[in-house]
Amino acid sequence: GDSVTQMEGPVTLSEEAFLTINCTYTATGYPSLFWYVQYPGEGLQLLLKATKADDKGSNKGFEATYRKETTSFHLEKGSVQVSDSAVYFCALNTGNQFYFGTGTSLTVIP
Amino acid sequence: DAGVTQSPTHLIKTRGQHVTLRCSPISGHKSVSWYQQVLGQGPQFIFQYYEKEERGRGNFPDRFSARQFPNYSSELNVNALLLGDSALYLCASSFRGLNSGNTIYFGEGSWLTVV
Repeated sequence: GDSVTQMEGPVTLSEEAFLTINCTYTATGYPSLFWYVQYPGEGLQLLLKATKADDKGSNKGFEATYRKETTSFHLEKGSVQVSDSAVYFCALNTGNQFYFGTGTSLTVIP
Repeated sequence: DAGVTQSPTHLIKTRGQHVTLRCSPISGHKSVSWYQQVLGQGPQFIFQYYEKEERGRGNFPDRFSARQFPNYSSELNVNALLLGDSALYLCASSFRGLNSGNTIYFGEGSWLTVV
């Protein structure tokens, strides 16, 4: 069935380091792909999305490209800040369902 | 503008009891979906309602049911509660149904503890 596999955490980085969180998916048809973020004490909120192959979603310095050939949607940021500390969820929308990964906890230290 | 609102925020129930969780979508949104998030895991899809009809159902037992009202608010009902039902229950709304990459907007959730 449809599913999302997300890089295990937790991830700890120093401020200004490069971030990659891997996400791969399995889906029939043509899914849309999302990254949601959950900051401490807050609810899930959309970070970025891509609705078709080769689309690049971007927001707040984060980017992810929808790669159909590798069934991936890896999240990247060139220089992380302490304020990026949160849990990141990769998600897939296909048909009338959403599928979420298990989440990757990121801690950025000054 | 108000976001997605859920109630109650926290509740404790005993095994075998019934629980009703409520959700009000963002104004103008016609679709509501429900998710169960166990600690340390990602949200698991339970139901989707669009225009008051069930449009999608995840892999949950029949003890879980939901409905959407004419004002697009929604209720999630869980019967015969089990300890394993303890989780954060999230409601999300979107303007249209869960397809074509429509963004869903989450509420803060209802924390259910079953003892």
